[in-house]
Amino acid sequence: DTAVSQTPKYLVTQMGNDKSIKCEQNLGHDTMYWYKQDSKKFLKIMFSYNNKELIINETVPNRFSPKSPDKAHLNLHINSLELGDSAVYFCASSQGLGAFKETQYFGPGTRLLVL
Amino acid sequence: AQSVTQLGSHVSVSEGALVLLRCNYSSSVPPYLFWYVQYPNQGLQLLLKYTSAATLVKGINGFEAEFKKSETSFHLTKPSAHMSDAAEYFCAVSDPRYGGATNKLIFGTGTLLAVQP
Repeated sequence: DTAVSQTPKYLVTQMGNDKSIKCEQNLGHDTMYWYKQDSKKFLKIMFSYNNKELIINETVPNRFSPKSPDKAHLNLHINSLELGDSAVYFCASSQGLGAFKETQYFGPGTRLLVL
Repeated sequence: AQSVTQLGSHVSVSEGALVLLRCNYSSSVPPYLFWYVQYPNQGLQLLLKYTSAATLVKGINGFEAEFKKSETSFHLTKPSAHMSDAAEYFCAVSDPRYGGATNKLIFGTGTLLAVQP
């Protein structure tokens, strides 16, 4: 009955590889997000989607490409991985448009280590 | 642009002592403010939020926070710390002019709370 789930939980890979992280929410929410948490625990938004439409696209290298096949899923594909991509990536979801005081529900995170 | 500052990256208290975690915000409009907690190797969980109703907000696990506009602060408190409160705490701000998916949460750098027996 996990609300926001991510796979994999851990990802260790070599520089230059391409990898994907998957996120699913069963809360019926319309909006999903990707955040990056660096080694100093600083958390910054990368993308948000509403009903499969990209809404927020922060200054993120275009090696990062989010994809939302339906409103319950938001995947993150990363091409040509670099050392600086090592971080914890969190998926989150919230109810929808117009309610800017909503709670965001976070997944458990995917710990990416690029060697 | 909005921002939050959390004073003290590490706070250590004894079990049973008062917990005070500081958060100051900068915003051109009255903001919405949030406190999230992150337990080791887990995602973030909402503790409480201020959305322009009562200035004293009560959250889960006995935590509360008071919005003080004059001090641009939203400090988190708990009267008596438990060992289970040891975690990372994040203050966050959002701009009420932007709704839903356009609304970004801007996080502080976090405060790691240690609780000594």
